[in-house]
Amino acid sequence: AQSVTQPDIHITVSEGASLELRCNYSYGATPYLFWYVQSPGQGLQLLLKYFSGDTLVQGIKGFEAEFKRSQSSFNLRKPSVHWSDAAEYFCAVGAYYGGATNKLIFGTGTLLAVQP
Amino acid sequence: DTAVSQTPKYLVTQMGNDKSIKCEQNLGHDTMYWYKQDSKKFLKIMFSYNNKELIINETVPNRFSPKSPDKAHLNLHINSLELGDSAVYFCASSQDGTSEYYNEQFFGPGTRLTVL
Repeated sequence: AQSVTQPDIHITVSEGASLELRCNYSYGATPYLFWYVQSPGQGLQLLLKYFSGDTLVQGIKGFEAEFKRSQSSFNLRKPSVHWSDAAEYFCAVGAYYGGATNKLIFGTGTLLAVQP
Repeated sequence: DTAVSQTPKYLVTQMGNDKSIKCEQNLGHDTMYWYKQDSKKFLKIMFSYNNKELIINETVPNRFSPKSPDKAHLNLHINSLELGDSAVYFCASSQDGTSEYYNEQFFGPGTRLTVL
Protein backbone atom coordinates (compact mmCIF):
# COMPACT_ATOMS: atom_id res chain seq x y z
CA ALA A 1 0.00 0.00 0.00
CA GLN A 2 1.12 3.54 -0.62
CA SER A 3 2.38 5.39 2.43
CA VAL A 4 4.58 8.26 3.53
CA THR A 5 6.62 8.24 6.72
CA GLN A 6 8.08 11.24 8.43
CA PRO A 7 10.08 9.77 11.30
CA ASP A 8 10.58 13.03 13.18
CA ILE A 9 7.48 14.39 14.84
CA HIS A 10 9.20 17.44 16.29
CA ILE A 11 12.56 19.05 15.50
CA THR A 12 14.18 22.07 17.11
CA VAL A 13 17.06 23.89 15.46
CA SER A 14 18.88 27.11 16.18
CA GLU A 15 18.46 30.03 13.84
CA GLY A 16 21.20 29.94 11.24
CA ALA A 17 21.76 26.22 11.60
CA SER A 18 21.19 23.76 8.79
CA LEU A 19 18.06 21.64 8.58
CA GLU A 20 17.16 18.26 7.21
CA LEU A 21 13.65 16.82 7.46
CA ARG A 22 13.30 13.18 6.60
CA CYS A 23 10.68 11.58 4.40
CA ASN A 24 10.36 7.99 3.24
CA TYR A 25 7.69 6.78 0.88
CA SER A 26 6.25 3.49 -0.28
CA TYR A 27 4.83 3.52 -3.77
CA GLY A 28 5.08 0.92 -6.50
CA ALA A 29 5.30 3.19 -9.51
CA THR A 30 7.26 6.34 -10.29
CA PRO A 31 6.55 8.65 -7.39
CA TYR A 32 5.44 12.23 -7.62
CA LEU A 33 6.77 13.80 -4.45
CA PHE A 34 5.95 17.02 -2.65
CA TRP A 35 6.84 19.05 0.38
CA TYR A 36 4.25 21.40 1.85
CA VAL A 37 4.58 23.86 4.71
CA GLN A 38 1.78 24.95 7.01
CA SER A 39 2.26 27.90 9.33
CA PRO A 40 0.05 28.04 12.43
CA GLY A 41 -3.56 28.62 11.47
CA GLN A 42 -2.68 28.82 7.79
CA GLY A 43 -3.25 26.73 4.70
CA LEU A 44 -0.85 24.52 2.79
CA GLN A 45 1.93 26.10 0.79
CA LEU A 46 3.84 24.05 -1.75
CA LEU A 47 7.58 24.27 -1.14
CA LEU A 48 8.78 22.05 -3.94
CA LYS A 49 7.93 19.03 -6.03
CA TYR A 50 9.62 16.19 -7.84
CA PHE A 51 8.03 14.70 -10.94
CA SER A 52 11.05 13.44 -12.90
CA GLY A 53 14.51 14.46 -14.06
CA ASP A 54 17.14 15.97 -11.81
CA THR A 55 16.91 14.31 -8.42
CA LEU A 56 17.86 17.49 -6.58
CA VAL A 57 15.01 19.95 -6.73
CA GLN A 58 14.98 23.55 -5.64
CA GLY A 59 11.99 25.16 -4.02
CA ILE A 60 10.88 28.41 -2.55
CA LYS A 61 12.32 30.05 0.56
CA GLY A 62 15.74 28.49 0.00
CA PHE A 63 14.60 24.89 0.46
CA GLU A 64 15.78 21.94 -1.59
CA ALA A 65 15.04 18.24 -1.57
CA GLU A 66 16.80 15.21 -2.96
CA PHE A 67 15.01 12.19 -4.38
CA LYS A 68 16.84 8.93 -3.72
CA ARG A 69 15.08 6.04 -5.35
CA SER A 70 17.36 3.41 -3.77
CA GLN A 71 16.42 4.66 -0.30
CA SER A 72 12.81 5.59 -1.12
CA SER A 73 13.52 8.96 0.39
CA PHE A 74 12.82 12.58 -0.37
CA ASN A 75 14.49 14.59 2.37
CA LEU A 76 14.04 18.33 2.68
CA ARG A 77 17.04 20.54 3.42
CA LYS A 78 17.86 24.14 4.08
CA PRO A 79 21.41 25.39 4.72
CA SER A 80 20.47 28.17 7.14
CA VAL A 81 17.17 28.28 8.98
CA HIS A 82 15.35 31.53 9.70
CA TRP A 83 12.95 32.09 12.58
CA SER A 84 10.11 32.43 10.07
CA ASP A 85 10.65 28.82 8.99
CA ALA A 86 9.01 27.59 12.19
CA ALA A 87 5.98 25.64 10.95
CA GLU A 88 4.64 22.17 10.24
CA TYR A 89 6.14 20.42 7.22
CA PHE A 90 4.36 17.71 5.28
CA CYS A 91 5.82 15.31 2.78
CA ALA A 92 3.36 13.82 0.29
CA VAL A 93 3.29 11.39 -2.60
CA GLY A 94 0.90 11.74 -5.52
CA ALA A 95 -0.69 8.39 -6.17
CA TYR A 96 -2.93 6.95 -8.84
CA TYR A 97 -5.77 5.38 -6.94
CA GLY A 98 -7.61 2.27 -8.00
CA GLY A 99 -7.25 3.02 -11.68
CA ALA A 100 -9.57 5.95 -11.29
CA THR A 101 -8.08 9.08 -9.86
CA ASN A 102 -5.12 10.87 -8.38
CA LYS A 103 -4.82 11.53 -4.71
CA LEU A 104 -2.17 12.89 -2.38
CA ILE A 105 -1.00 10.73 0.47
CA PHE A 106 0.48 12.79 3.26
CA GLY A 107 2.96 11.98 5.96
CA THR A 108 2.11 12.80 9.54
CA GLY A 109 4.12 15.99 9.49
CA THR A 110 7.20 17.34 11.26
CA LEU A 111 6.84 20.34 13.52
CA LEU A 112 9.87 22.60 13.25
CA ALA A 113 10.73 24.95 16.08
CA VAL A 114 13.49 27.53 15.65
CA GLN A 115 15.48 28.76 18.63
CA PRO A 116 16.95 32.27 18.57
CA ASP B 1 -7.98 36.32 -8.50
CA THR B 2 -7.70 33.58 -5.90
CA ALA B 3 -7.17 30.22 -7.56
CA VAL B 4 -9.02 28.00 -5.08
CA SER B 5 -11.27 29.69 -2.56
CA GLN B 6 -13.30 28.32 0.32
CA THR B 7 -16.07 29.81 2.42
CA PRO B 8 -16.35 30.20 5.28
CA LYS B 9 -12.84 30.31 6.70
CA TYR B 10 -14.12 29.52 10.19
CA LEU B 11 -17.29 27.69 11.19
CA VAL B 12 -18.40 27.13 14.76
CA THR B 13 -21.57 25.17 15.36
CA GLN B 14 -23.40 22.90 17.76
CA MET B 15 -23.56 19.13 17.66
CA GLY B 16 -26.43 17.86 15.59
CA ASN B 17 -26.55 20.82 13.23
CA ASP B 18 -26.19 20.66 9.45
CA LYS B 19 -23.61 22.86 7.76
CA SER B 20 -22.05 23.43 4.34
CA ILE B 21 -18.63 24.49 3.15
CA LYS B 22 -18.23 25.92 -0.32
CA CYS B 23 -15.28 25.64 -2.67
CA GLU B 24 -14.65 27.34 -5.98
CA GLN B 25 -11.72 27.17 -8.37
CA ASN B 26 -11.01 29.50 -11.28
CA LEU B 27 -8.17 27.46 -12.75
CA GLY B 28 -10.30 25.66 -15.31
CA HIS B 29 -9.50 22.33 -13.70
CA ASP B 30 -11.57 19.21 -14.21
CA THR B 31 -11.05 17.57 -10.85
CA MET B 32 -11.74 18.75 -7.33
CA TYR B 33 -11.04 17.18 -3.97
CA TRP B 34 -11.85 17.45 -0.30
CA TYR B 35 -9.21 16.67 2.32
CA LYS B 36 -9.64 16.55 6.09
CA GLN B 37 -6.94 17.57 8.55
CA ASP B 38 -7.74 16.21 11.98
CA SER B 39 -6.71 17.49 15.39
CA LYS B 40 -3.36 15.69 15.09
CA LYS B 41 -2.69 17.52 11.83
CA PHE B 42 -3.08 14.33 9.80
CA LEU B 43 -4.29 15.07 6.25
CA LYS B 44 -6.36 12.55 4.37
CA ILE B 45 -8.41 12.65 1.20
CA MET B 46 -12.18 12.39 1.57
CA PHE B 47 -13.59 12.78 -1.92
CA SER B 48 -12.55 13.28 -5.51
CA TYR B 49 -14.85 14.65 -8.21
CA ASN B 50 -14.10 14.78 -11.91
CA ASN B 51 -16.35 16.84 -14.16
CA LYS B 52 -19.07 16.80 -11.51
CA GLU B 53 -18.91 13.05 -11.07
CA LEU B 54 -17.84 11.37 -7.84
CA ILE B 55 -14.70 9.33 -8.40
CA ILE B 56 -13.67 8.28 -4.91
CA ASN B 57 -15.26 8.31 -1.52
CA GLU B 58 -12.57 7.39 0.94
CA THR B 59 -14.72 5.64 3.55
CA VAL B 60 -16.36 8.82 4.67
CA PRO B 61 -19.60 8.57 6.71
CA ASN B 62 -22.84 9.12 4.85
CA ARG B 63 -23.39 12.30 6.85
CA PHE B 64 -20.91 13.91 4.49
CA SER B 65 -22.38 14.65 1.09
CA PRO B 66 -20.33 16.48 -1.51
CA LYS B 67 -22.14 18.25 -4.31
CA SER B 68 -20.67 19.58 -7.52
CA PRO B 69 -23.09 21.87 -9.38
CA ASP B 70 -20.46 22.47 -12.06
CA LYS B 71 -16.83 21.59 -12.45
CA ALA B 72 -15.69 24.87 -10.88
CA HIS B 73 -17.51 24.22 -7.62
CA LEU B 74 -17.44 21.44 -5.05
CA ASN B 75 -19.44 21.96 -1.88
CA LEU B 76 -19.37 19.81 1.21
CA HIS B 77 -22.55 19.36 3.22
CA ILE B 78 -22.37 17.73 6.61
CA ASN B 79 -25.48 16.47 8.41
CA SER B 80 -25.87 15.84 12.12
CA LEU B 81 -22.49 17.21 13.05
CA GLU B 82 -20.49 15.32 15.67
CA LEU B 83 -17.63 16.41 17.90
CA GLY B 84 -15.25 14.28 15.86
CA ASP B 85 -16.02 16.30 12.76
CA SER B 86 -14.03 19.20 14.18
CA ALA B 87 -11.14 19.60 11.78
CA VAL B 88 -9.74 21.74 9.02
CA TYR B 89 -11.22 20.91 5.64
CA PHE B 90 -9.18 21.66 2.54
CA CYS B 91 -10.49 21.84 -0.97
CA ALA B 92 -8.12 21.25 -3.89
CA SER B 93 -8.28 21.08 -7.66
CA SER B 94 -6.19 19.71 -10.49
CA GLN B 95 -6.27 19.14 -14.19
CA ASP B 96 -7.58 15.74 -15.16
CA GLY B 97 -7.35 13.87 -11.90
CA THR B 98 -8.29 10.65 -13.66
CA SER B 99 -5.04 10.54 -15.56
CA GLU B 100 -2.51 7.95 -14.47
CA TYR B 101 0.05 10.71 -14.84
CA TYR B 102 -0.28 12.69 -11.68
CA ASN B 103 -1.38 16.30 -12.04
CA GLU B 104 -0.46 18.76 -9.32
CA GLN B 105 -3.21 19.69 -6.89
CA PHE B 106 -3.75 23.28 -5.83
CA PHE B 107 -5.17 23.84 -2.38
CA GLY B 108 -7.62 26.30 -0.94
CA PRO B 109 -6.93 28.11 2.35
CA GLY B 110 -8.95 25.66 4.43
CA THR B 111 -12.07 25.90 6.57
CA ARG B 112 -11.69 25.35 10.29
CA LEU B 113 -14.81 23.62 11.59
CA THR B 114 -15.40 23.51 15.32
CA VAL B 115 -18.27 21.45 16.67
CA LEU B 116 -19.29 22.24 20.26
